[in-house]
Parts: sequence; structure tokens; C-alpha cells
Amino acid sequence: DIQLTQSPSFLSASVGDRVTITCRASQGISSSLAWYQQKPGKAPKLLIYSASTLQSGVPSRFSGSGSGTEFTLTISSLQPEDFATYSCQHYNSYPLTFGGGTKVEIK
Amino acid sequence: EVQLVESGGGLVQPEGSLRLSCAASGFIFSDYYMDWVRQAPGKGLEWVGRIRNKANGISTEYAASVKGRFTISRHDSNNFLYLQMSSLKTEDTAIYYCARVRSSGWDGNYFDYWGQGTLVTVSS
Repeated sequence: DIQLTQSPSFLSASVGDRVTITCRASQGISSSLAWYQQKPGKAPKLLIYSASTLQSGVPSRFSGSGSGTEFTLTISSLQPEDFATYSCQHYNSYPLTFGGGTKVEIK
Repeated sequence: EVQLVESGGGLVQPEGSLRLSCAASGFIFSDYYMDWVRQAPGKGLEWVGRIRNKANGISTEYAASVKGRFTISRHDSNNFLYLQMSSLKTEDTAIYYCARVRSSGWDGNYFDYWGQGTLVTVSS
């Protein structure tokens, strides 16, 4: 199985900050990676797929990059509504797996 | 508007059974692969399994942790997805989400729509 390791697992930041979250795969997955945002008590929401393609309707302050085994999600200027947990997911092979999540909290 | 609404969660004893349902609307349900994803309390997301569409044989895939105990099925005529869970363990306690898979090719195997989830608690 492909393991996805996210870092950090917890991040404290202020509104306006640039935030970067990393997702490392245990083996190469090309660009078969998606990012999701999840707020408490809510379902995950797709932000990015194919490592760097922004899902329709997602603000342009979100961006993704990477391929192979190392990927990043960047929020260029953190907004109040961005405080949430972010998770990566690979879709290179079965079983599909998710990273452990990064919780972004208000400093 | 795409909507996925899960139901059927609740409290069940270890070794018991439960069937979850997911009502889909707002898209051509029969065209899509559908998955179940779960999230244990305070934990990350875990893929449970998949059912392909009719064009791809309505075949299934399962995570190792549930294979042989869980069965995914679908009823395209009324736009329902099901998860039959048996031999339940305390570690199956989680919110269970149904999710639509963007497309059938590997390059589309991520989830573009999710339901709100239904809580399954396995406890004596």
C-alpha cells in the first residue's frame, strides 16, 4: 500500500499568512494526488486534483504542486474561512489512501 | 445540483450487522463509480471501497480492513448506493461518507462530491 505522510500535522497561522503543507508518498504516484479541505462536522471538499489543478469554484489563493513522491498545498494569503483540516489522497492504485491530515488553526 | 444523502447509521453491538444507504440526485447516477470513505472519531479519512458502473461490470474493490465483511451494492433504477456491514468490530466506529468518483479512468479517481455522512457506533 502507498503511505501518504503529511507535515506538519498541526499548524498555527494568522490571517494573511502564506501557508504550505507537504504530502510525501512512500512510492512514486506521478501526479495522481488530490487535496481536500474539511471543516468540523462537515464532509471533505475537493480543492485540487492532478496535484496542481484547481477544482472549479475554489479560490485562486489555493495552489498545488509536485509530482512523484513530494507534493505541496499552498494557501497564498490565509483567510478566516480557511481554518480547517487539509488532507491529501493518492489515486495511483488500490487501495486509495489519505494522508493523516493537517489542522490549520488561528494563531 | 449534485446531492448525496446517507442514512442508516446507529449503534450496533460487536459482531452485529448494519446497512447504510446513500441517496443520489442531480446527476446520472448510473454513469459513475461510487465509493464509501470513513472517518473514525478524531482520525483521518480511510477509503472503504468502490463499486464501478454498469459499463465496467458493477465490480467492486475493498480495503483490506473490511474485505469479506462489507459489501457494496447499487440500485441504479432508484439512484441508491448501499454498504452492507457485517461482523462489525469496535474499530469500525466512524462516520461513513458516500462519495462520487470524478471519472472511471485512473486520472479521475478522486472524489468530487461527498455526502454529509452517517455515524456508525459499534459498542456493547
